Amino acid sequence: QSALAQPASVSGSLGQSITISCTGASDDLRSPTYVSWYQHHAGKAPRLIIYDVTSRPSGVSSRFSGSMSGRTASLTISGLQPEDEAHYYCSSYKMTSTLVMFGGGTRLTVL
Amino acid sequence: QVQLQESGPGLVKPSQTLSLTCTVSGASFSGGGFFWTWIRQRPGDGLEWIGHIYYSGSAYYNPSLRSRVTMSVDAPKSQFSLHLNSVTVADTATYYCARLRIQGAAAPTWIDPWGQGTVVLVSS
Repeated sequence: QSALAQPASVSGSLGQSITISCTGASDDLRSPTYVSWYQHHAGKAPRLIIYDVTSRPSGVSSRFSGSMSGRTASLTISGLQPEDEAHYYCSSYKMTSTLVMFGGGTRLTVL
Repeated sequence: QVQLQESGPGLVKPSQTLSLTCTVSGASFSGGGFFWTWIRQRPGDGLEWIGHIYYSGSAYYNPSLRSRVTMSVDAPKSQFSLHLNSVTVADTATYYCARLRIQGAAAPTWIDPWGQGTVVLVSS
């Protein structure tokens, strides 16, 4: 069982927006915090798409955005495209330690 | 452009030691602000952090694997390695090496880039 809880799957239609949540235990996700999000297509290397909760690496589409409220971080993908169909993972570290945590992953289906 | 490439045997027998090496190119291996990390994905599962190591050799391991994991670095070769002993079929997975950004004392922040991954099958 992952320390960060994500929905197992989400779906959305082409052009629509979806949001994937990532909820941590009481001591695991709080400000200041470093939440990152990764896109993973099967057979390929995972790709960093959001870091430090809201920042986007160079080259990542502005359709990807991150936010946080309380103990829940969120990834929003707007204007869904077929290539967005993938697994998405959130990650952070356990407060008071240097242990890296991953969410269980969310499978995004684009209808 | 930083690139990482995993190498090692694709088949390991149960009870033996799984050893993988990651070669880093396009970046200063010994530069500050980054650790080097191993992550795996077992079939049907999500990503699992195994541990990370600094160029100096300081390492942090996943508590669930700590008793079986050792990581090492060869800075002159820009390589770091994973050794997982007493493997079982449950260690069958795709293993990724990657670069881990740290902030402050040693707070992990983001992971980028990742290697392509190498599949390791544990089977007799």
